Amino acid sequence: DGGITQSPKYLFRKEGQNVTLSCEQNLNHDAMYWYRQDPGQGLRLIYYSQIVNDFQKGDIAEGYSVSREKKESFPLTVTSAQKNPTAFYLCASEAGAEGYTFGSGTRLTVV
Amino acid sequence: KQEVTQIPAALSVPEGENLVLNCSFTDSAIYNLQWFRQDPGKGLTSLLLIQSSQREQTSGRLNASLDKSSGRSTLYIAASQPGDSATYLCAVPNYGGATNKLIFGTGTLLAVQP
Repeated sequence: DGGITQSPKYLFRKEGQNVTLSCEQNLNHDAMYWYRQDPGQGLRLIYYSQIVNDFQKGDIAEGYSVSREKKESFPLTVTSAQKNPTAFYLCASEAGAEGYTFGSGTRLTVV
Repeated sequence: KQEVTQIPAALSVPEGENLVLNCSFTDSAIYNLQWFRQDPGKGLTSLLLIQSSQREQTSGRLNASLDKSSGRSTLYIAASQPGDSATYLCAVPNYGGATNKLIFGTGTLLAVQP
């Protein structure tokens, strides 16, 4: 079955540590996205990529970095510069006629 | 600037009722509209995608309609079940905007009582 796989499901970060969230898709979609969701709030766009080796900042990119070396993969790194990283992170891919497909999410907690 | 709102914000119904969730958008020049459900602590599950040229889409007990001219979409759920309890989100893509992203509605929290 085609879909998006996010890992890990839960992630704990210590102060000052960088962590990387994985997102893999086998839908053959060109476009991929990272969203952040805070409790009781809507989804905010962090980064997106419309094609391999290209990506653009979203609305809240500060403290995050991404890469897009393969069509199937769009990992997100939460750096130590992100002062409030505790949140639920969702990855998505998209092809216009098929709409958006989301992964199951990674819950990141600072300890 | 596209804005998407949903009413009601919360809805509680007894099992078996038919119900309608509403979604409004301010800019009628949309490419498509997508309905999602989100269970607590989970990702978003796509329910229905309506292209701009379509008036409705159906999947099982779900029917979504789209009226671009009035800036409205409705999600109809027939014979509701406790398993339908979730947050329902509508969203439109912001193609050609400053950032390419989905613009989400404010959501409807649905509780179906057994």
